[in-house]
Amino acid sequence: GQNIDQPTEMTATEGAIVQINCTYQTSGFNGLFWYQQHAGEAPTFLSYNVLDGLEEKGRFSSFLSRSKGYSYLLLKELQMKDSASYLCAVIRGNTPLVFGKGTRLSVIA
Amino acid sequence: GAGVSQSPRYKVAKRGQDVALRCDPISGHVSLFWYQQALGQGPEFLTYFQNEAQLDKSGLPSDRFFAERPEGSVSTLKIQRTQQEDSAVYLCASSLVGTSGKAGELFFGEGSRLTVL
Repeated sequence: GQNIDQPTEMTATEGAIVQINCTYQTSGFNGLFWYQQHAGEAPTFLSYNVLDGLEEKGRFSSFLSRSKGYSYLLLKELQMKDSASYLCAVIRGNTPLVFGKGTRLSVIA
Repeated sequence: GAGVSQSPRYKVAKRGQDVALRCDPISGHVSLFWYQQALGQGPEFLTYFQNEAQLDKSGLPSDRFFAERPEGSVSTLKIQRTQQEDSAVYLCASSLVGTSGKAGELFFGEGSRLTVL
């Protein structure tokens, strides 16, 4: 959606670290969200970044570089339950949240 | 209620039928959003309400799609003369205030899965 790019699929091993990248057009940028969505379920909030830098929350961290139009979600100590789609979403101005197509993460033993 | 509630969870319609999808947002949330999510894709914006006012309907794909929120709480998304390409999950979300910043965090319902035969 609307020039928000993230990889379609990723696979990682249980216990490992994975980084999911997201790039976006910077015009009107007013904040970036990451959501997690398990198959058949509602998206749920993971993180919000509006300033440059790293936000850490337990096993999950999110990074933002506004000048580069770049964010990543870092998942540590992967667990099988982390298998889900991860959605990057951008607010521009006061317009509703625009989502990328999502990255489907598979965690394998 | 505690979360965003949507009904029906599943709807099968014959092509040409009209459908109505209901969303009950979190109590006190001012803003309500409808998104359409095709299989394997991210949610695509359809329309947005602030209280009873529909502030943005730019994402509605055709004039067969209509949404309302007459009392600023429950919302209904209506699709007239359904087509096969309307098959998708329709997600409703609400937020405490508007669309800006962390306060614009969306709380999603589980969606209504529409299948048009």
